[in-house]
Amino acid sequence: SAVISQKPSRDICQRGTSLTIQCQVDSQVTMMFWYRQQPGQSLTLIATANQGSEATYESGFVIDKFPISRPNLTFSTLTVSNMSPEDSSIYLCSVLRAGTDTQYFGPGTRLTVL
Amino acid sequence: GENVEQHPSTLSVQEGDSAVIKCTYSDSASNYFPWYKQELGKRPQLIIDIRSNVGEKKDQRIAVTLNKTAKHFSLHITETQPEDSAVYFCALRGGGNKLTFGTGTQLKVEL
Repeated sequence: SAVISQKPSRDICQRGTSLTIQCQVDSQVTMMFWYRQQPGQSLTLIATANQGSEATYESGFVIDKFPISRPNLTFSTLTVSNMSPEDSSIYLCSVLRAGTDTQYFGPGTRLTVL
Repeated sequence: GENVEQHPSTLSVQEGDSAVIKCTYSDSASNYFPWYKQELGKRPQLIIDIRSNVGEKKDQRIAVTLNKTAKHFSLHITETQPEDSAVYFCALRGGGNKLTFGTGTQLKVEL
């Protein structure tokens, strides 16, 4: 398995501000993903974090709103920019190792925007 | 993108009974089908998975069946226990190694 940590675990933010979420994995992984889980809903993929290059965003998500960095194979950040109450959600980091099928999830960051 | 339908959205069973959750999909290229369990306030945890070259896989009280022709796969939990109460998500892997999730099933095991 992979040990994944996220910081912060939760935050309450004012609208119009930005929050950066960090994801750290204990070993090198091939792929890192960021998901959003709105209250009582399923998981929706925001983007695939690519090492050393721009992230690949899913339909409905844009770089200006959710800039992502991945400077190396074990670390990634997701920023939620210019937040509004609609951004209140749980944000989860997820990883996949080369040659394996199993995708693991971090503990999540619970974001509340007032 | 890929669409995954999951039913039922809620399921209530008596302790000791079996529970079955079913997912259907449309992309015949999907080749990996995991099931995740998410307890309240926790992260999703993989409980069982199946690849497209296998029709059934079992792990103690949990089993998954896959019908590629009909494009559906199901989770079977036997001898349910209160600790099985959680939200269960099916998923499938498509292009780019991306997982697409079903809408989830809230399972409640009653004493």
